Amino acid sequence: QKEVEQNSGPLSVPEGAIASLNCTYSDRVSQSFFWYRQYSGKSPELIMSIYSNGDKEDGRFTAQLNKASQYVSLLIRDSQPSDSATYLCAVNQLPAGNNRKLIWGLGTSLAVNP
Amino acid sequence: GAVVSQHPSWVICKSGTSVKIECRSLDFQATTMFWYRQFPKQSLMLMATSNEGSKATYEQGVEKDKFLINHASLTLSTLTVTSAHPEDSSFYICSASKEGKTQYFGPGTRLLVL
Repeated sequence: QKEVEQNSGPLSVPEGAIASLNCTYSDRVSQSFFWYRQYSGKSPELIMSIYSNGDKEDGRFTAQLNKASQYVSLLIRDSQPSDSATYLCAVNQLPAGNNRKLIWGLGTSLAVNP
Repeated sequence: GAVVSQHPSWVICKSGTSVKIECRSLDFQATTMFWYRQFPKQSLMLMATSNEGSKATYEQGVEKDKFLINHASLTLSTLTVTSAHPEDSSFYICSASKEGKTQYFGPGTRLLVL
């Protein structure tokens, strides 16, 4: 059973702090990794994608990938109340065909307190 | 950009009727589209993967005769919930895969079956 695991939270951080979200995956052959943000009652929106080991930065967001340890993390610097949402980690599963199905974590709820 | 639209955004119907939901990729061609369902405070559940011009691949436990999927073009996929019942009430979300990697989500359709 291929799995993606996240701490459900809630993770509570004060405004302006760094929020650190973690995700581990079980399938070693996974090659594409994604972080989505989902506000309550809304659909997911893509925050970051990462494909190779190391860090990838985009504004206040940094994704970190370590394939040897099979984890991917998301750092949010200078957290804002508007960052309060559920963050979903998704990992690409490589099927035999052309369907790029993602394996989803259950999400981590983040609350940024003013 | 990568914009995905869904229509309608919400629908209320009587038990026993059928409901069609459209998913369109507005500014890119999507060879693969995905249909998800999400119940309140639960995680995304993949229902099926749809490739343009071929039959959809349904996840285990999803009735293909109840949830009809058509992917007639590179920019349009439809999900028809046939003979809807109250237990089908949910948030239905589509995503479209750009360049075979990243999934971009539509805004979702809320279905309420009375």
